[in-house]
This record gives sequence, structure tokens and C-alpha cells, in this order.
Amino acid sequence: LAKTTQPISMDSYEGQEVNITCSHNNIATNDYITWYQQFPSQGPRFIIQGYKTKVTNEVASLFIPADRKSSTLSLPRVSLSDTAVYYCLVVTRGAGSYQLTFGKGTKLSVIP
Amino acid sequence: EAGVTQFPSHSVIEKGQTVTLRCDPISGHDNLYWYRRVMGKEIKFLLHFVKESKQDESGMPNNRFLAERTGGTYSTLKVQPAELEDSGVYFCASSPNQREGTDTQYFGPGTRLTVL
Repeated sequence: LAKTTQPISMDSYEGQEVNITCSHNNIATNDYITWYQQFPSQGPRFIIQGYKTKVTNEVASLFIPADRKSSTLSLPRVSLSDTAVYYCLVVTRGAGSYQLTFGKGTKLSVIP
Repeated sequence: EAGVTQFPSHSVIEKGQTVTLRCDPISGHDNLYWYRRVMGKEIKFLLHFVKESKQDESGMPNNRFLAERTGGTYSTLKVQPAELEDSGVYFCASSPNQREGTDTQYFGPGTRLTVL
């Protein structure tokens, strides 16, 4: 399983764009990059998933360069309610069991 | 649509006792997963059901843990006998199918287990 490395924590003011970068140097051909968000006392919640280039949904954008050894989660104009832990995960396609491997995540604190 | 539900939300038991956690996945989801986070560590995979069959139980820590999913609907995770190191939060997740590379998992709120 590809190991991921991301910042331990980040602070941001309300209304700013937040970019969280994740390194996954040994990502394999069949691997997808997936981000989850977790609020205190709740389970993780899927945000976005991508394989290469750029993916955008109503919540975030995910940028993946051509070598796929890193990815960046972009949250536009964050609000206080975006304060959470964000996990970058690598999921292997076709493995039969899609167990998710969580790291420590990045604790994002949005301040007024 | 109801999400993944777990019961109880919090359980406090003494060492040596038995506890059973329950997970109700999203209706129609064939895949059901158990994870846990113990003592401030990372969330770790325990096992994966496809319908009523165990697809992968490589994360189960030892034979004190027994997971079942009779009928392929809800699942239970029994810890017998419970030890102090079993304290933590147990999460359940479900997903509809395993189309390659798109297995989005929907997590429940977790059950906090405290073993005294």
C-alpha cells in the first residue's frame, strides 16, 4: 500500500482558499487518490477522488500532476464549518477488498 | 436516504466482559467494513464483508473479536472478553458495489468503547 505524507496541521482565515498537499511517492498504476474529511465525534466523510489531472465537485478540487507522486486538495473560500481533519488516502483498484489506510491526516483550523 | 447507523454510541464495560456493537449499513449496500481507532492512533481497518461473506479479515487483531453479518444486512462485532487495549472508537462503513476504483465508503458515527 502506498504511504502518504501530509501536513499535521494548518490554520486559515475564513474566506481564504486552502490547499493541502499530500505526497505518495510509491503510488502504483492501479491506485486512486481519495480524500476524506472528519469532524469531531463523527465518522470520516468522502470528499473527492481522482486518478490524474484535475477533478472538481461542489465541495473541492483535486489536482494531480502527471507523475502522480503528489496531490493537492483545494477548498475554496473556507468557512468555520470546514474545521476538520482531512485525510489523503491511496486506494488500490481491483484489489478485491477496498480497505482504506488512514494516516494521521491534516487538522485544518479555520479562524474568523 | 438514511445513512450508516451504529449502536450504541458509547459503551462502558469492565475488563473481561463481553460487548456487542451493531452496524446498520445503507440499505442495498453489499459491502460493509469495520474500522477502529484506539488511543489516539490512526483509524485501522478490521474487516470487510461482501453481503454475508467475509472478503477480508486481515485487520482483526485476535480471536477475541468476532464479526457477523447474517443475511447480508446488519452486522455485529463482538468483543469477548474485552481487554483495556480494546478501548477506542469503532467505525462501520458501507458501499454499494465494487466497481473498480470507485468504492466510496460511507461511514457511521462510530461507537466509543471504554473498557475499565
